[in-house]
Amino acid sequence: GPKVLQIPSHQIIDMGQMVTLNCDPVSNHLYFYWYKQILGQQMEFLVNFYNGKVMEKSKLFKDQFSVERPDGSYFTLKIQPTALEDSAVYFCASRPGQSNERLFFGHGTKLSVL
Amino acid sequence: GEQVEQLPSILRVQEGSSASINCTYENSASNYFPWYKQEPGENPKLIIDIRSNMERKQTQGLIVLLDKKAKRFSLHITDTQPGDSAMYFCAASATSGTYQRFGTGTKLQVVP
Repeated sequence: GPKVLQIPSHQIIDMGQMVTLNCDPVSNHLYFYWYKQILGQQMEFLVNFYNGKVMEKSKLFKDQFSVERPDGSYFTLKIQPTALEDSAVYFCASRPGQSNERLFFGHGTKLSVL
Repeated sequence: GEQVEQLPSILRVQEGSSASINCTYENSASNYFPWYKQEPGENPKLIIDIRSNMERKQTQGLIVLLDKKAKRFSLHITDTQPGDSAMYFCAASATSGTYQRFGTGTKLQVVP
């Protein structure tokens, strides 16, 4: 079936450094999402993105966070600077269009901030 | 708020029995309700979903019920097997393009 690819699968970084998480959504999908999951806990919405713009973001989407998808390439989540509490698994998801609600999730990037 | 509450947080059942997980939502505009199964180290995988024009849906040992008046929906796993042991998440979203709000999760343990 359609796959969302996330690169890398694991990223270890020192606190204060910048990190970029990459997502390759399903090719004909229009809506893109980032969710954050701390081990064993619920999936928490960060941000969604459509037509080159952020549509909604949660309180977890701090000022240090940004997203973009330049020219239809990777959909990226950048954190600059990182903090210890940013350690989590970040899942990217995409879906085709407004009438279809099903989300397709990537396998996640585990971010460890030391 | 627009929370999705999910209970129980932990559910332990005997193999072969049924398991039920319940969720409630607050946003009356919600019209799509997926259920996900997540195994350790994996991404959440859609196992069944229901839209607001239905009250019941069944597929391969899974039943979902939706009570729009009560803003409540539930997942029932019949004839549970050890392979059903995992985290289960409910979610709710509205067609207006807003995001899926996830429940807090249920850790299901099926014991032989």
